[in-house]
Amino acid sequence: GGIITQTPKFLIGQEGQKLTLKCQQNFNHDTMYWYRQDSGKGLRLIYYSITENDLQKGDLSEGYDASREKKSSFSLTVTSAQKNEMAVFLCASSMDWGAEQFFGPGTRLTVL
Amino acid sequence: QQKVQQSPESLSVPEGGMASLNCTSSDRNFQYFWWYRQHSGEGPKALMSIFSDGDKKEGRFTAHLNKASLHVSLHIRDSQPSDSALYFCAARQQGTGSKLSFGKGAKLTVSP
Repeated sequence: GGIITQTPKFLIGQEGQKLTLKCQQNFNHDTMYWYRQDSGKGLRLIYYSITENDLQKGDLSEGYDASREKKSSFSLTVTSAQKNEMAVFLCASSMDWGAEQFFGPGTRLTVL
Repeated sequence: QQKVQQSPESLSVPEGGMASLNCTSSDRNFQYFWWYRQHSGEGPKALMSIFSDGDKKEGRFTAHLNKASLHVSLHIRDSQPSDSALYFCAARQQGTGSKLSFGKGAKLTVSP
């Protein structure tokens, strides 16, 4: 088995601030994802990385940057936090594209 | 446009009862379907996948897929309070590069 760790668990920022969320997995999975979860809207894909050194935009990439530092880690940066961005950000990984995705516990973002 | 629609949005069943969740896709190219479950404060976890028409049973959980009507359902028999969670239907097209589309989720409450 493996685990996905997301840090921090809670993140409070100011409007306009640049904020970084981190994700680590020890499954040795190739593919990693960042999703945003808003109440009543399901999960929306922000960025994904099929292999190390790959970076792809999802459906909701505007206002975000991502970085795949190494196979086990994937970071997401909110470039300028907005008040309507309060949501839970979920990191996931899978053995390869299309396989079952394993999710971390999430980072809850609050923007003041 | 939401490609995966779930119904009902919320459902309450007594302990020991049957819970039935539904999912309809608007994309006829969707071939692969997943059910994910998310307990409060945790990330989603894959319950089961179904790729062929018909029923797939895993313990108390049965998924049913009808590709012709683009409909997939999840039935939970002998529901337990621990089944209380948010349930997501997810679907994707065949082939590399196709992303997983999630429904908005359905909240199941199982009361003792």
